[in-house]
Amino acid sequence: AQSVTQLGSHVSVSEGALVLLRCNYSSSVPPYLFWYVQYPNQGLQLLLKYTTGATLVKGINGFEAEFKKSETSFHLTKPSAHMSDAAEYFCAVSLQAGTALIFGKGTTLSVSS
Amino acid sequence: EPEVTQTPSHQVTQMGQEVILRCVPISNHLYFYWYRQILGQKVEFLVSFYNNEISEKSEIFDDQFSVERPDGSNFTLKIRSTKLEDSAMYFCASSVDRDSPYSNQPQHFGDGTRLSIL
Repeated sequence: AQSVTQLGSHVSVSEGALVLLRCNYSSSVPPYLFWYVQYPNQGLQLLLKYTTGATLVKGINGFEAEFKKSETSFHLTKPSAHMSDAAEYFCAVSLQAGTALIFGKGTTLSVSS
Repeated sequence: EPEVTQTPSHQVTQMGQEVILRCVPISNHLYFYWYRQILGQKVEFLVSFYNNEISEKSEIFDDQFSVERPDGSNFTLKIRSTKLEDSAMYFCASSVDRDSPYSNQPQHFGDGTRLSIL
């Protein structure tokens, strides 16, 4: 069965600092990998998705994620945090298009000035 | 950009009552989904729907739940007799553009319906 582990339920950074949100997955086959962001009282917005063959994936708002098959990881990074990045971030995996997304527990990102 | 819309944004219902949550998926999509998020917990898959039938469901999706696509645009989730533990945010999603069904396409989510059971 697939599972997603997000290390750190809460990450705090200063504005301008590096953001690193960790995600590890377990899957018997190479999965589809995604990061979603949820702002307060809003739905889930896609940040980026993993595409086969690319190890570094660029998303919206300056975020990117690196796929490391050997570590079964898909960590999310942003070089310089902005106050508007404060939100909850979810890593998700599915085995193929049209199947259930399995979500991690989420990481709340706080950004201080 | 097309989006998934959900109504109502907040539903308050007495325990034991039936509730219907409504969604309008993106019009060109083939797969539709319902997820829920209990306060403070992670997002959990309930059910997926394809070609007018359920294609996958989780253990949460028991006999109290049903889904329907009553017309060409709406997709509904019905909870027959609500319990206190059904209180959660319910998200609808859709995916897989019929014009390019084999690419890695993400699921697009609505803003959710907050269901409160009293």
